[in-house]
Amino acid sequence: AQSVTQPDIHITVSEGASLELRCNYSYGATPYLFWYVQSPGQGLQLLLKYFSGDTLVQGIKGFEAEFKRSQSSFNLRKPSVHWSDAAEYFCAVGETGGYNKLIFGAGTRLAVHP
Amino acid sequence: DAGVTQSPTHLIKTRGQHVTLRCSPISGHKSVSWYQQVLGQGPQFIFQYYEKEERGRGNFPDRFSARQFPNYSSELNVNALLLGDSALYLCASSVGQINEKLFFGSGTQLSVL
Repeated sequence: AQSVTQPDIHITVSEGASLELRCNYSYGATPYLFWYVQSPGQGLQLLLKYFSGDTLVQGIKGFEAEFKRSQSSFNLRKPSVHWSDAAEYFCAVGETGGYNKLIFGAGTRLAVHP
Repeated sequence: DAGVTQSPTHLIKTRGQHVTLRCSPISGHKSVSWYQQVLGQGPQFIFQYYEKEERGRGNFPDRFSARQFPNYSSELNVNALLLGDSALYLCASSVGQINEKLFFGSGTQLSVL
């Protein structure tokens, strides 16, 4: 069965520091991969997605992610974190089968220190 | 354009009651999906509807049901509420049926006492 693991439940970084959030997936075929962000009391906003092609994907708000098939990973990165990036981040894999089902990881909560 | 809208934003029910949650997709979107997000966990897929037909169902009991109307809005119904049904219920819409970018609403926070 498909699954997504986000090993870090909580991460704290200083404003201006670089960020990497880890995501590992289990999926039999070429996966469709997503990163979403959720601010308190809000729904999820798509940061970026990988369907095929270039393994380095650029997203909104200065985020990027790299798909590494050999490591079954899709880590999210940002070179310089802003205080407004504090939120919860979810990695997800899209399950094929004729419908639009996303399997989410448990999330990583990001805190940003001034 | 308006985003995905959900109502109500908050709801308190007691065990055994039933609840109806509503979702209006983005104009032009024909697919609506429902997810349950329990505190501290990632969202879990409940249903997807496309063109008014159920296209996918997650691992939820039959107490959970949904439907999509001709204007593509949707309702999620939960019968015989349990304490464990307390969660944030998220609705997402997309243009097509598969491999589409999902746009999420802000959710309905359901508390079951």
